[in-house]
Amino acid sequence: EVQLVESGGGLVQPGGSLRLSCAVTGFTFSSFSMNWVRQAPGKGLECVSYISSGSTTIYYADSVKGRFTISRDNAKNSLYLQMNSLRDEDTAVYYCARDRAGWPDLWGQGTLVTVSS
Amino acid sequence: EIVLTQSPATLSLSPGERGTLSCRASQSVSSYLAWYQQKPGQAPRLLIYDASNRATGIPARFSGSGSGTDFTLTISSLEPEDFAVYYCQQRSNWPRTFGQGAKLEIK
Repeated sequence: EVQLVESGGGLVQPGGSLRLSCAVTGFTFSSFSMNWVRQAPGKGLECVSYISSGSTTIYYADSVKGRFTISRDNAKNSLYLQMNSLRDEDTAVYYCARDRAGWPDLWGQGTLVTVSS
Repeated sequence: EIVLTQSPATLSLSPGERGTLSCRASQSVSSYLAWYQQKPGQAPRLLIYDASNRATGIPARFSGSGSGTDFTLTISSLEPEDFAVYYCQQRSNWPRTFGQGAKLEIK
């Protein structure tokens, strides 16, 4: 069964850090690019970051550039998002999603990050 | 950044009716447009990619059309489970952007 399971979310103070993880099963993780997409409460979707299968191509949204770092460990079938200098506006559900032919086609259930003092 | 504008923001229809949602891009995205469905508390689900291709397992009542800047998602005969929020997304260039969403609600 194909599964993407995010973890690592929680409550953090402004300026703090969190590391999100996405554990993948059911497909050959090393063959696919991956994405992090977030959704603020009651709002729309925002592509946060993208990483190619071999980590050679990485993109970030301007809103997180310089603060967030995407990475992956193909041996562990895992995707990560290191989030530093967190702001109130980073509060959202964070989804990891497989990228197939340029499209996020399979999504995890999401992990909630709340930035608040 | 390419801005996607969806219309209408809310569409009220009855089961069995035909539903049509629009997405307009601020500049051409060729055919690099997708549609997603999202239900409350769930992750988005890919419905249509490359403007007109149905994703795996998506019923034939869902269809997409358009190219350049104007796109349409059509649901030929609405089922109760189709009432949800729909998003369009472009991948013509980074950042990939989504429309603001359109809610399809039961009339």
